[in-house]
Amino acid sequence: EVQLLESGGGLVQPGGSLRLSCAASGFTFRNYAMSWVRQAPGKGLEWVSVVSASGDSTYYADSVKGRFTIYRDNSKNTLYLQMNSLRDEDTAVYYCAKDRGSRLSGASDYWGQGTLVTVSS
Amino acid sequence: QSALTQPASVSGSPGQSITISCTGTSSDVGGYNYVSWYQQHPGKAPKLIIYDVDNRPSGVSNRFSGSKSGNTASLTISGLQAEDESDYYCSSYTSSTTLVFGGGTKLTVL
Repeated sequence: EVQLLESGGGLVQPGGSLRLSCAASGFTFRNYAMSWVRQAPGKGLEWVSVVSASGDSTYYADSVKGRFTIYRDNSKNTLYLQMNSLRDEDTAVYYCAKDRGSRLSGASDYWGQGTLVTVSS
Repeated sequence: QSALTQPASVSGSPGQSITISCTGTSSDVGGYNYVSWYQQHPGKAPKLIIYDVDNRPSGVSNRFSGSKSGNTASLTISGLQAEDESDYYCSSYTSSTTLVFGGGTKLTVL
């Protein structure tokens, strides 16, 4: 059974940093691209970032470029999102999602339950 | 990276069919066959119901179907059921090697 378990969310002040983790199991992690998608309270889905299966390619939404870093450790079956210079508008539930292929296709067939990040003073 | 355009809400009666549109540009929806659709119930993670424009993942009801014409993709749900009441989101791969979502559509089953 595929499982994705996010952790690391919480309350952080504007300008602060947070690292999210996503522990994967039930599939061959190193074969699939992985994404982070967020959803602000009461709002729609917003794609944040993707990393290729090997980890050598990463892409970001303009809203987080230069502040967030996505990376993965295929030996630990874990995906990460390092978030720096956090802003109020980064407040959201952050989901990790598995792509159907090794590179971004936009078809995420498994999602975690999400972890809430709240940026507030 | 402007969001794809979806109607805010649609409704239908049980047994009827409804269609949700998703309009983008030639740099996303119109340029690639990488349009996906997701169903999201309140408080739950999204669920993939259509990928690559018109493909259904294993286990998804054949009442869900997808199509695309030009810069607009569509999701059709036939034989509407009460449990179909949910939020629906489209997404598309873009020429910038990013992903863009639609604003979401709330489906009400009357």
